[in-house]
Order: sequence, then structure tokens, then C-alpha cells
Amino acid sequence: EAGVVQSPRYKIIEKKQPVAFWCNPISGHNTLYWYRQNLGQGPELLIRYENEEAVDDSQLPKDRFSAERLKGVDSTLKIQPAELGDSAVYLCASSPDLYNSPLHFGNGTRLTVT
Amino acid sequence: GESVGLHLPTLSVQEGDNSIINCAYSNSASDYFIWYKQESGKGPQFIIDIRSNMDKRQGQRVTVLLNKTVKHLSLQIAATQPGDSAVYFCAENEDGYNKLIFGAGTRLAVHP
Repeated sequence: EAGVVQSPRYKIIEKKQPVAFWCNPISGHNTLYWYRQNLGQGPELLIRYENEEAVDDSQLPKDRFSAERLKGVDSTLKIQPAELGDSAVYLCASSPDLYNSPLHFGNGTRLTVT
Repeated sequence: GESVGLHLPTLSVQEGDNSIINCAYSNSASDYFIWYKQESGKGPQFIIDIRSNMDKRQGQRVTVLLNKTVKHLSLQIAATQPGDSAVYFCAENEDGYNKLIFGAGTRLAVHP
């Protein structure tokens, strides 16, 4: 099966600019997650979706971050405006359901804010 | 390529030896645990999982041990190969709904 697909692979922007990341989960996976991974650390959850509903966005910095999964398949994560501290790898993952099942990760988008 | 973890603890082993990577988890209520492997420039890759009603689970060349008394998880890799070189993360499911909390990670370096 095809894995989780993310684009772009790399993104370099200046601070205060907007940026968007796109994710296509594994076909049939209802649950989608966005994680952020800082250098030298494990991934940290930003938001998780069950179909098109955000079931947990408690760790998403809502002043500048937004996400959507309008048709319950693809998802977009946006940052506006970006700050220097947003430089990280943004990982998307999907799983068949919301209960105790392994997450399958994409290769991420490496964001550098200058 | 980019490095996943520049300042992670490192376990160095000789090719063919067995490796043991340890992890302490934080939430005694966590009931599902996963080990992931992350190579440079890639996303975490699922290796093996274990539920809290088990204390051991085996896969191909890998074994996960769970000690709930001391909140400790370990990953054993048999006959370690150069392709096993990566950063390894344990993750605990904190709320039963796939809210995975990742540990800090351990870099495994396999020497020929």
C-alpha cells in the first residue's frame, strides 16, 4: 500500500511569512495526525482528526496555526505568520482508527524560518 | 542528509551483537506502547507494539519487554545489522485514543 504522502519536502521562508503543508494519508485511514519534531527530540502532537472532525487540538498554537481536513481525507496545516521558533520537521501520520493502533508516518516537511 | 538527533544518547554495538534499547515512560495509566525507528531524513517507522496486558512480545529479530511495575520498556534487537543504525523512539498511548507521547530517543550506531 502507498504510505502517507507529504509535500513539500523542504520549505524555507522568512519570518512573518505564511506557509502551508499538505498531507495525504493512507487510503482507508480515518484518523490523521499532525506532529512537530524539533531537532534532537521526539515528535509532539499538534492536532488529530477523526474523519473531518478535530478530536484533539489542545496542543495547536491557535494564534498562528490552523489545520483543516475538509473531506476527511487530505489535510493542510498552515502557519501564519511564521516565527523563527517554528523551524522544525512537521510530520503527518494516519491510523485505521482512533484506538490503540500504530500510527504510520510520512517523511515530513522540513521548515526553516529565517 | 539532515540529522534526526544531534544530542541523543548513543548506543554503539558491533555488527552481529544483540542490542538493548531502554525507555522509561511516564504515565502509569498508559495501556499501549510502540517502538519506532527513524532514519535520517525520514519519518518514524513502526517496529513493534505491545499492550499493557502483556509483558513480552516478539517480532522478526526484535523483542519488546514491558515492566509496568517500574514503568520501563525495552527493545531488543538480535544480530544487529548496519541497516539497524537509526534513532529509536518509544511511545506511550496516554489516553487510549492514540494520543502518542514520544520519549527522547536513542541513537543506535552499528559498527562493522
